[in-house]
Amino acid sequence: QLQLQESGPGLVKPSETLSLTCIVSGDSIRSNRYYWGWIRQPPGKGLEWIGSIHQSGNTYFNPSLRSRVTVSVDTSKNQFSLKLTSVTAADTALYYCARQDIVATTSPFSWFDPWGQGTLVTVSS
Amino acid sequence: EIVLTQSPGSLSLSPGEGATLSCWASQFVSSGYLAWYQQKPGQPPRLLIYGASIRATGIPDRFSGSGSGTDFTLTISRLEPEDFAVYYCQQYAGSPLTFGGGTKVEIK
Repeated sequence: QLQLQESGPGLVKPSETLSLTCIVSGDSIRSNRYYWGWIRQPPGKGLEWIGSIHQSGNTYFNPSLRSRVTVSVDTSKNQFSLKLTSVTAADTALYYCARQDIVATTSPFSWFDPWGQGTLVTVSS
Repeated sequence: EIVLTQSPGSLSLSPGEGATLSCWASQFVSSGYLAWYQQKPGQPPRLLIYGASIRATGIPDRFSGSGSGTDFTLTISRLEPEDFAVYYCQQYAGSPLTFGGGTKVEIK
């Protein structure tokens, strides 16, 4: 059974870089059938997609965050990572990783299933 | 960007009643590329429906999705106690992938 687990610091100072890793177990991240995505949810608020990556290295991002986001994949460790630079209090959120099925050869976009449990990142000095 | 608007914002119902949740898109959502999720407190979202009407694995048949174009609906035929939660729609017809603001289904 596929499981995803986010890990990383729970507290980041303003202007610094948020770094998270999603460890995938129960399936290989090398599969060509999936993208792997990051989504965040500020406390008590809704969901915002951040970006996604394929094991080939293909990526796509939310334009609202594009200039600050890097997503990478490490197939040898079966994990993928998120970096968000120049964070502010507005980046305080529960960060989730999730798998995305590839539904069409012409589109990398898809739903998210399953999700990790999420990790809370607070931006504060 | 495709903006998704969910209504109502909240719904107070009793177990056994039916629920109808709406999700309107600001632009045409091609190929019915719309998903629905359920989120309970302290848990990640759980996929219920994708492709507007296809139930995900293990989802009870009291959950059904319908709609196309810009108007989509999630119907819960008979609410069970475990169904009281927040429900989100998400479109994957174009980038950025976007979510609706959610509908909270509360116990009356």
